[in-house]
Amino acid sequence: EIVMTQSPAALSVSPGERATLSCRASQSIRNALAWYQHKSGQAPRLLIYGASTRATGIPAKFSGSGSGTDFTLTISSLQSEDFAVYYCHQYKDWPQTFGQGTKVEIK
Amino acid sequence: QLQLQESGPGLVKPSETLSLTCTVSGGSISSRGSYWDWIRQPPGKGLEWIGNIFYPGSTHYNPSLKSRVTISVDTSKNQFSLKLTSVTAADTAVYYCARTLVVIPTTPGEFDFWGRGTLVTVSS
Repeated sequence: EIVMTQSPAALSVSPGERATLSCRASQSIRNALAWYQHKSGQAPRLLIYGASTRATGIPAKFSGSGSGTDFTLTISSLQSEDFAVYYCHQYKDWPQTFGQGTKVEIK
Repeated sequence: QLQLQESGPGLVKPSETLSLTCTVSGGSISSRGSYWDWIRQPPGKGLEWIGNIFYPGSTHYNPSLKSRVTISVDTSKNQFSLKLTSVTAADTAVYYCARTLVVIPTTPGEFDFWGRGTLVTVSS
């Protein structure tokens, strides 16, 4: 199966600053990558699919890039509601797999 | 707006069968354009995709769980279900149901709607 590796595991960011999260696939997944935001006790929320396409209703502050094996999620000007755990997910092949998550914390 | 809600016992004994149901509202589970998925997250660990069903009955399962998993659909109740047999403590997790909008029926896709999850503990 394709192994997804996210870095860093945790990221401390001051409100108003930018956060850059990375995700690496163990083999090429082309652009079959999604990003999710997850807050404790809530349903995970789809942010990005196709590596760079924002899902419905997702603000432009969230942007995704990359293809092949290396991907990035950038969150500009973090606000309090953006502090959460972010997961990447590959859907190139069965079984679909997730990264271990990056926790974005308030600095 | 599609909504999904998991339900089922929060405690299951070792060696028994874990059974969960996901109730779908705001859309039809018999829609040919959707996979209906189960995903889980053990405490302190990452997300693991369990499997899905494409109405009326085509399924895909994670090979790591395939021998123990069955996913089925009940269109009369607009629900889909998960059964996991011979559970152990390693199956303790928050279980989520989710929907994949299918673009190509033989390939996976992103999960665009999720439930909030339900914690299932395996313990005697």
